[in-house]
Parts: sequence; C-alpha cells; structure tokens
Amino acid sequence: GQQLNQSPQSMFIQEGEDVSMNCTSSSIFNTWLWYKQDPGEGPVLLIALYKAGELTSNGRLTAQFGITRKDSFLNISASIPSDVGIYFCAGQLSSNTGKLIFGQGTTLQVKP
Amino acid sequence: GAVVSQHPSWVICKSGTSVKIECRSLDFQATTMFWYRQFPKQSLMLMATSNEGSKATYEQGVEKDKFLINHASLTLSTLTVTSAHPEDSSFYICSGEKDSQETQYFGPGTRLLVL
Repeated sequence: GQQLNQSPQSMFIQEGEDVSMNCTSSSIFNTWLWYKQDPGEGPVLLIALYKAGELTSNGRLTAQFGITRKDSFLNISASIPSDVGIYFCAGQLSSNTGKLIFGQGTTLQVKP
Repeated sequence: GAVVSQHPSWVICKSGTSVKIECRSLDFQATTMFWYRQFPKQSLMLMATSNEGSKATYEQGVEKDKFLINHASLTLSTLTVTSAHPEDSSFYICSGEKDSQETQYFGPGTRLLVL
C-alpha cells in the first residue's frame, strides 16, 4: 500500500534551536496534515495544508505543501521543552474516502 | 474548535470478554469517523472507516466480526472488540471528519489491556 517516509525518526535538540522534519511519498496527495501526539494521548492537529505550494504558519510552527504534492515539511522555530512529543505527518490521497496515511513519526526531545 | 471524546479512557478485561469503546464528536457533526489502533512506538494504523447510517468499511486484514463498528448518529460511533484476546491489547483511537474540511480530529484514545 501507499507509504509516507517521515524523517528524521528522532531528534534530540537544545532548547531554542530550530527543528525541521519532512515527509515524502511516491504518491500524490490532496491534503497534508501535521499532528503532535503526547504519550497516552490522541494526536492533536497542528497544521492542515490543502493546496500545492501552500505555506502555513501556526505560531512557531510552519509547514509547506510541496509543489509536486508528494512531500511536506514542518519547521519549529525556537524550540521549548513543551515541544517534546511525537510528530506525525498524514496525507490524504482522495477526498472521497477521507482516509489518511500516516508517516512513521518523528520523536522530538528538547533539552532545557 | 473540533473536539472528539472517547470513553472509556482505559479498560482492563479478561480474555474472552467483549469491550465497547465510544467515540463522540462534541461540537460538530461527523458524517465519517475513523478507528485506528496504535502499538507502542508505532504509527497509527487505520482499522475501519465508519459512515453514519451505513456499514463500516474495514481495512485489509481487520476482522469485521471481531471489531464491530456502529455509527448510529452523526456524533457517535462505537467500536466493540468481541471475544478479546491479549493480542488485542493496544491503544485505540477514533477520529471524526468535520464535514467538507477534509480534516480529521482525534479523540484522546482508549488503552485496552486484555489479561
């Protein structure tokens, strides 16, 4: 089936540093979504992208929908300890079914 | 906002019993709800797509007779794990799709432990 390749798998950074993670696929997506999941919780939507080339910000977070519609990245600027968690990208192939395909996740650890 | 709740948040049951998990969209109507399971340190795996008033669509490899899904209203879907076994122990998460926004909002998850 379709897969999303998310990288890096994990990151350990110093507080204040910027972070970048990305997802790529061999398939074209209509929608890209970025979620954050804390331990024992459900994923929380961070940013939703609906058009190729779209660049959207949410506070210190910025995400872009790749122009080829096969990739997306998420940047976090000036990281803080509460940014710790697992970040997932998710792509939607077709708006008819609404099904999402998830990346493997990026585990972020921030050292104060 | 778009808030989804799940009940219970965790459940421990004996092998062979059935467990029902509820998923509710609190401030929007969800024509479509999705059920996922997540094993430790892994990503979310879609189990089934649930449409209000119709039968659920199950992903390949998911037994529909074991994981019964009912979507009786636009705000409630239930997942029943029948004759649960230890290998069914997992984190079950539902999501609701807000109409026409093509965005899924997730519940907080239900931790199931089958002894």
